[in-house]
Amino acid sequence: GQNIDQPTEMTATEGAIVQINCTYQTSGFNGLFWYQQHAGEAPTFLSYNVLDGLEEKGRFSSFLSRSKGYSYLLLKELQMKDSASYLCAVLDSNYQLIWGAGTKLIIKP
Amino acid sequence: GAVVSQHPSWVICKSGTSVKIECRSLDFQATTMFWYRQFPKQSLMLMATSNEGSKATYEQGVEKDKFLINHASLTLSTLTVTSAHPEDSSFYICSANLLAGGPYEQYFGPGTRLTVT
Repeated sequence: GQNIDQPTEMTATEGAIVQINCTYQTSGFNGLFWYQQHAGEAPTFLSYNVLDGLEEKGRFSSFLSRSKGYSYLLLKELQMKDSASYLCAVLDSNYQLIWGAGTKLIIKP
Repeated sequence: GAVVSQHPSWVICKSGTSVKIECRSLDFQATTMFWYRQFPKQSLMLMATSNEGSKATYEQGVEKDKFLINHASLTLSTLTVTSAHPEDSSFYICSANLLAGGPYEQYFGPGTRLTVT
């Protein structure tokens, strides 16, 4: 079956750095997405990785290792507004998005 | 660019009635739109994939006669929840991908919160 694993909840301090991991087992791979979702709102796009390596975009970076079925989202200089759920999703061989359950990130002052 | 709207943003209806939710791509054409449902503290669950001019493809366990999907144009898809029951109360989100170009990113609407009393 297809499976995406990410931690249920993480806590970090304002100004710090946090890494949210995602491991996946899917039928085929056409890319991995990270989305941010604030409570009661729809997800918003953060990043897309299809090749191995690190993609940096401002305070957020996303890493992919296809051979390990592994990705992480790195958030630097954490702000209170970064408190949200972070969803990992993989595009499988049928170009269907397989979603993880999301990681709820709690930022403390 | 790539804005998706949904209407209504929230709706309360009585058990047994039907509710229609609209999803529009405002500044692009979308051959494919997706309908998701999300229960509190749970991840997105894909309900169906809607292609313009053809019948929607429903995920296993989703009743096609209860959740009617119509994708009449390249910018509009509708989801009708028929004979709604309290267990249908959820956050319904649509998304669309661009007609061409990568990376196959889905653009999400703001969601519709349905409460069935």
